[in-house]
Amino acid sequence: LAKTTQPISMDSYEGQEVNITCSHNNIATNDYITWYQQFPSQGPRFIIQGYKTKVTNEVASLFIPADRKSSTLSLPRVSLSDTAVYYCLVGAYSGAGSYQLTFGKGTKLSVIP
Amino acid sequence: GAGVSQTPSNKVTEKGKYVELRCDPISGHTALYWYRQSLGQGPEFLIYFQGTGAADDSGLPNDRFFAVRPEGSVSTLKIQRTERGDSAVYLCASSFQRGGHGGELFFGEGSRLTVL
Repeated sequence: LAKTTQPISMDSYEGQEVNITCSHNNIATNDYITWYQQFPSQGPRFIIQGYKTKVTNEVASLFIPADRKSSTLSLPRVSLSDTAVYYCLVGAYSGAGSYQLTFGKGTKLSVIP
Repeated sequence: GAGVSQTPSNKVTEKGKYVELRCDPISGHTALYWYRQSLGQGPEFLIYFQGTGAADDSGLPNDRFFAVRPEGSVSTLKIQRTERGDSAVYLCASSFQRGGHGGELFFGEGSRLTVL
């Protein structure tokens, strides 16, 4: 399974753009990159998923360079409610055929007023 | 409800007891996952169901843990002879995707298990 590395924590002021970079050097050809957000006492929530180049939705953008060994989650104009833990995942098929997502420790984002 | 429902939300038990945790996935989702999350850690994969069958149980820590999904919908995670180290939040997730790139997992709010 591909291993991911991301910063343990980040601080940002309200209204700023936040970029969280994740490295996944041994990503496989068929792997997609997925980001989840988790608030305290809640389950993770899907943010965005991509394979290459750039993906954008109503809440975030995901930038993936050509070599796919890293990815950057971009949150535009963060607010206090964006304070959460953000997980970068690279999915892989296990030997038993399931698409197994492996969560790391994530990046704890703190948004400051 | 529209989301993944997990019960109980909190369970306190004594060491050595048996517990069951229930997950009711989103209607129509064929894939169901159980994860376990300890304080300060990311969720840890336990088991994956596709329909009624456990397609991948490689994450179950030992034979005290077992899960079933007899009708391909509701799933129950069963823990025998609980130990203090089993204390964690147990998360259930469901998905439309059977294969492909995995798609989006929809998580419940979890069942917090405390073993005294």
